[in-house]
Amino acid sequence: QLQLQESGPGLVKPSETLSLNCTVSGGSIGSNSYYWGWIRQPPGKGLEWIGSIHYSGSTYYNPSLRSRIIVSVDTSTNQFSLKLTSVTAADTAVYFCARLLTTDYFDYWGQGTLVTVSS
Amino acid sequence: EIVMTQSPSTLSVSPGERATLSCRASQSVSSDLAWYQQKPGQAPRLLIYDASIRATGIPARFSGSGSGTEFTLTISSLQSEDFAVYYCQQYNNWPLTFGGGTKVEIK
Repeated sequence: QLQLQESGPGLVKPSETLSLNCTVSGGSIGSNSYYWGWIRQPPGKGLEWIGSIHYSGSTYYNPSLRSRIIVSVDTSTNQFSLKLTSVTAADTAVYFCARLLTTDYFDYWGQGTLVTVSS
Repeated sequence: EIVMTQSPSTLSVSPGERATLSCRASQSVSSDLAWYQQKPGQAPRLLIYDASIRATGIPARFSGSGSGTEFTLTISSLQSEDFAVYYCQQYNNWPLTFGGGTKVEIK
């Protein structure tokens, strides 16, 4: 059974960089059929797609966040990562990692991790 | 960006009754639409993809329909475990976008 697990600091200061990892177990991140993505959900609000990456390094980013995000992949550790720079309180959210079938819909999700931006 | 609009925002339904949730796209997304269920404190769970195909393990009481700009998720007979928030998501165009959600609550 495929599992995804987010990890990273739960508290980030304003203007700093949010960094999260997603570890994939029960399957290989190096499959042509899948992309791997990040989605966030501010407390009490809806879902926002952040960006997605293929094991080859091909990426798609949300234009609203493009200038501040980097998504990378490490096939040797079966992990992919998110960096979000210059964070503000508006970036406070639960961050989910997930698998996408090609570039389409999300069929497996991590449990999510709450990241709070506060001094 | 394609805007996804869900209605109603809250739906009050009695157990055993039918629930009908709507999702509208600001432009055609063909059949490139998925539905998710999210319970408090949990990640979303994929229910439906390609507008009408149930994901693995999803009960037959969940069904999806529609194409173009108008979509519907129907839960034929609500069970206690179905009370949750439901989101639609289009994948016809970048960026991927979600609707604002419909909360299905106990009447």
